[in-house]
Amino acid sequence: AQKITQTQPGMFVQEKEAVTLDCTYDTSDQSYGLFWYKQPSSGEMIFLIYQGSYDEQNATEGRYSLNFQKARKSANLVISASQLGDSAMYFCAMRADSGYSTLTFGKGTMLLVSP
Amino acid sequence: DAGVIQSPRHEVTEMGQEVTLRCKPISGHDYLFWYRQTMMRGLELLIYFNNNVPIDDSGMPEDRFSAKMPNASFSTLKIQPSEPRDSAVYFCASRYRDTGELFFGEGSRLTVL
Repeated sequence: AQKITQTQPGMFVQEKEAVTLDCTYDTSDQSYGLFWYKQPSSGEMIFLIYQGSYDEQNATEGRYSLNFQKARKSANLVISASQLGDSAMYFCAMRADSGYSTLTFGKGTMLLVSP
Repeated sequence: DAGVIQSPRHEVTEMGQEVTLRCKPISGHDYLFWYRQTMMRGLELLIYFNNNVPIDDSGMPEDRFSAKMPNASFSTLKIQPSEPRDSAVYFCASRYRDTGELFFGEGSRLTVL
């Protein structure tokens, strides 16, 4: 079974600063993928970034980067130069690369960006 | 290309009534998922389909819940009879093959009084 743990219920950051949202996972699968989604107050789930377990480079997408430490089973999301529009709920998720696999989500971290 | 389309966006009903939530996945996607989101339990997978066939419905909470996918472009999630504890946001999501990210609809917020 897969498990995702996000230990930070809420985080505060000032505009233009960087912030790291923590995510640890537990799986017995050798090949898997890690995802981050953003859920603003409007409710939709927005895909941000993906990291494959065999990817040697940390994934980056614009201001988002994923700090992947396989041995520690962590996949932290780093948001650089925070913006007010980054205020939202952030979910870490993982999926095994086996057939008929599904996404397992963490409980989420609420990020508030202040001016 | 249009995203995943869900309806209704909001539903308020009374306990005991039947509720039907609808989903149109992204064209060409062969996986469809139904999730439920609550404050207490977070995002829970209810059921998912591959090529219109239900693969895993172990997340469906009770027999009151049922889901169908009669064709590649339409799925329903039905609750009959509804109860106040069913109040949640229900998301439909679709995916192409075994890889890639899930694309979510905007969700259906259900309130059962």
